[in-house]
Formats: sequence, structure tokens, C-alpha cells
Amino acid sequence: KQEVTQIPAALSVPEGENLVLNCSFTDSAIYNLQWFRQDPGKGLTSLLLIQSSQREQTSGRLNASLDKSSGRSTLYIAASQPGDSATYLCAGRGAGSYQLTFGKGTKLSVIP
Amino acid sequence: SQTIHQWPATLVQPVGSPLSLECTVEGTSNPNLYWYRQAAGRGLQLLFYSVGIGQISSEVPQNLSASRPQDRQFILSSKKLLLSDSGFYLCALMRSGEAAFFGQGTRLTVV
Repeated sequence: KQEVTQIPAALSVPEGENLVLNCSFTDSAIYNLQWFRQDPGKGLTSLLLIQSSQREQTSGRLNASLDKSSGRSTLYIAASQPGDSATYLCAGRGAGSYQLTFGKGTKLSVIP
Repeated sequence: SQTIHQWPATLVQPVGSPLSLECTVEGTSNPNLYWYRQAAGRGLQLLFYSVGIGQISSEVPQNLSASRPQDRQFILSSKKLLLSDSGFYLCALMRSGEAAFFGQGTRLTVV
């Protein structure tokens, strides 16, 4: 059964800093991995989806990578802004599975 | 573009009362539909998923049930709520190879 871990649970950085959020998963037979953003009291907003055949995806200041052999994914945020403050969740979908397994998230605070 | 409608946004219910949360989707057809629960201090827990009308898979044995009477409608129900049913309930859709898309959720407080 797929297990997803996100470390650290919380992160505080000054505005303008580049940062990396980490996600690890136990089953390397992963179909895809997705990064989400969640603002307090809100639903999840999809940021990036990486298929198993891909190594990275980019959208604006965000870059997500996937390394199946090591069971790791990272979300890189460039030039962080206070508006980036939110909880970031990663979720893996196993091959042949209909399910997304989520990590518990990293709560990011960007200090002006 | 696809849209998920969830209502109500917030709900306060007494212990032992029934529950019905509805999720409807627009802008897509034949999606896989999901109910997740997010409790304080815990991650997202998959409760039910459906790959088609009348097809329900339960991931966690509990006080809840789900139904999919139409392709774009997914309903979460309970006959008698427990305090432990409190949480943030999220409906999601996913099509093969595509990103999962979530609704805005229902905050349920059982008192």
C-alpha cells in the first residue's frame, strides 16, 4: 500500500527566498504524482501533475520533479511571495489504482 | 471547464441525526468520483470512490455510505452521525491520466 510522507510539516521563509518542499513515497510503481495547494478552509487547488514517464513539470515559478527510483518528489518555488503562504500537499497514484494517497502536507509561511 | 458543486459549505448537526452531502460535477463525463475527509491534524482520508453509476468502493468501514445515482452526482450519507464524523468533506473527480480536481468542501461539525 502506497504511503506518502512530507517533511517538514511547517516551514517559514522570508519573502524572495527560493525553497524546496519534499515528498517521499513507498511504492516506486507510481502512475503519477500531483502537487496541490490548500488555503485555510478551502478545497485543494491542483498545481502540477507529473506522469510516471516524466521527470519534471514547470508552471510559472513552480517546478516539480519526480524520481521514482528513490521514491521522491520535490516542489521548487522560486522567489517566494506572501501569497504563496498555504499548505502544500502531494499525492501519489499507484499503477492500476483509482486512488490518490496524500501526504499530510507542509504548511508554508512566507514572511514579508 | 469542469466544475464541482458541493453544498452546503458548512453544516452543524446533532449526534444521531442523518446526513446527506451532495456533489455534482459539470463540464466532464464518465469521471471517477471520490469522497475524502480531512480531520484536524490528520491527512486526507479516502472514504469512497466510484468509477460509474451505481458502483461504489468503500475504503474505510464506518458510519457513512455513498451512492452515485447519476453520472455526475455523488452523495455521501449517514443514518446517525457520530462525533467522530466531524471534519472537512471534499468531493473530487479524476479521469484517467488527468489531474484530480477538487470541490470547495463542506465543513461538518457534529455536536
